[in-house]
Amino acid sequence: SQELEQSPQSLIVQEGKNLTINCTSSKTLYGLYWYKQKYGEGLIFLMMLQKGGEEKSHEKITAKLDEKKQQSSLHITASQPSHAGIYLCGAGRYKLSFGAGTTVTVRA
Amino acid sequence: ETGVTQTPRHLVMGMTNKKSLKCEQHLGHNAMYWYKQSAKKPLELMFVYSLEERVENNSVPSRFSPECPNSSHLFLHLHTLQPEDSALYLCASSQDRKAGGLYEQFFGPGTRLTVL
Repeated sequence: SQELEQSPQSLIVQEGKNLTINCTSSKTLYGLYWYKQKYGEGLIFLMMLQKGGEEKSHEKITAKLDEKKQQSSLHITASQPSHAGIYLCGAGRYKLSFGAGTTVTVRA
Repeated sequence: ETGVTQTPRHLVMGMTNKKSLKCEQHLGHNAMYWYKQSAKKPLELMFVYSLEERVENNSVPSRFSPECPNSSHLFLHLHTLQPEDSALYLCASSQDRKAGGLYEQFFGPGTRLTVL
């Protein structure tokens, strides 16, 4: 099965500052998904990346896929309290494997 | 109702009880999934139903029994569970996979299950 390692495990950022989360796969990435979860709730789909070098943005969140390095990064610009939560990367064609998640805390 | 809904949201059951979790999707998808999320463990895929046929069960214990009567509904029947089965159970749906196609999965809010 595909293993995904996320780093950091958790981070605390001052409101208005940028942050980056990384996701590294043990196998070739055929598709990479980013989700956000509030504790004890369902996952909210953020973005899907399919091709090497692909980059997508939505509001202040940007995700990139480096196929050669089997890595993806999620970058949040000028963080806000609404960005707080657990960010999960998932990979696979339909049998998704997920990373353990990165807990983001935004301090006012 | 829109998206993916799950009921109940919280469930407490004894080890000898039988209960069922329900999932319903209103997105017109034809693939549905059950995931288990335990504390301090990554999300684990339990079952996949594609076009109402189970295509993957990932070696889940038989005390978990899925049922997919149609493309909009998915059940997880539970019996003689163990305390270690306590977790958040998440349902998801997507378009059916096609050769070379990738489709994002949309998740429900989950059922928080506690086994006493």
